Parts: sequence; C-alpha cells; structure tokens
Amino acid sequence: EAGVAQSPRYKIIEKRQSVAFWCNPISGHATLYWYQQILGQGPKLLIQFQNNGVVDDSQLPKDRFSAERLKGVDSTLKIQPAKLEDSAVYLCASSKTTGNTEAFFGQGTRLTVV
Amino acid sequence: GENVEQHPSTLSVQEGDSAVIKCTYSDSASNYFPWYKQELGKGPQLIIDIRSNVGEKKDQRIAVTLNKTAKHFSLHITETQPEDSAVYFCAAEVGGTYKYIFGTGTRLKVLA
Repeated sequence: EAGVAQSPRYKIIEKRQSVAFWCNPISGHATLYWYQQILGQGPKLLIQFQNNGVVDDSQLPKDRFSAERLKGVDSTLKIQPAKLEDSAVYLCASSKTTGNTEAFFGQGTRLTVV
Repeated sequence: GENVEQHPSTLSVQEGDSAVIKCTYSDSASNYFPWYKQELGKGPQLIIDIRSNVGEKKDQRIAVTLNKTAKHFSLHITETQPEDSAVYFCAAEVGGTYKYIFGTGTRLKVLA
C-alpha cells in the first residue's frame, strides 16, 4: 500500500511570496489533514477535510492560508503572502473515516521563509 | 478546546533501560490515543495506540497505559535500543471528530 505522498520536500521563499504544497493521501482514505509543525513543537492541525468538504479549519490563518480538496482525493495548501513565522514543516495525513481511525503521515514539506 | 500536555521534553536512558513518557488530556470525550515516533526528516509514524475501553496495550517492547478517570496515558519502552532514539508524540482524538491534538513531544536519546 502506497503511503501519503507530499511535494515538494523542501522550499525556500522570500517573505511576501506565495507557495503551494501538494498532498496525495492513501487510496480510499476519506479524511485528509494538514498540520503545521514548527521546529521543536508538536504538529498543529490547520485544516481537516472529509472527502471534499471542510470539517475543521478553525486554526487556519485564513487571511493568508487556503486549502482545497476539489475531487475528494488530492489536496493543495497555499500560503500567500508568506511571513517569516510560517517557516515550518507542513505535514499531510490521511485516515479512513470508519473503523480504525489511525492517521498516516507523509514526510512533510519543509518551508523556509527568508 | 482539547489540550494535551506531555512530559518530559527530553529523556536520556542507557541502552537496555526502560523509558516512560507521560501525557495528560483535557477532553473527557476523547476515546482514542495514538503514539507517534518521528525520526529526523521524516513524518510521524504510529507505533501504538489505545482506545478508551481498555486500560493497557502491549506490542513487544512497547506498552501504553490509559487512566480515563485521571485523564492520563503513558508510553513505556522496555529494553531500549539505540534505534529507539527519536522524538515521540502522544495525541488524543477529540471525541468522535477524527481530529487529533498532539502533545509537545519528547526527545528520547538511548545511550549505547
């Protein structure tokens, strides 16, 4: 079974630029999550999708962050404009909705804003 | 909202000794508690989990205990090996939402 795929692995941008991250969850997983992990901290949930609908985006800074999962499979997370404090690893995870709720994580995208 | 506290933040043990990491949670409706291991440059990987209808679960050298009354759960690693060195995160699912709140992490170092 293929795992959660994310790209790119690394990205360096200047502040005020825009950036987009892509995630392909495990096949058949209805729930998709984007987490932000700042160095030395635990992952913080940004947004949770159930198929193509948003379940929870209460922690997403909506003035600069946006995410979509149009066909209920792949997802993109965008930051525009980026700030220095957005430097972090952005983790995508997916899980089944029924039965076992184990969440599987991708390797993450390390973003550095300079 | 749900809050998960994790202690200690760093832990060094001699190879072969045991390691214990403790977490507390605030939402009494939480009923699923996974533990993740994160190695450098990788995403978190599930190592063991426990549901609220059991008090203890064991998988080889790893065990997790849950005290629902006190709202705390712990990870126990016995006979530690150098490859156990990593950052460990506890998490709690916010009751029935499939939403996970993570602890702040414990950096475990196993000294050979």
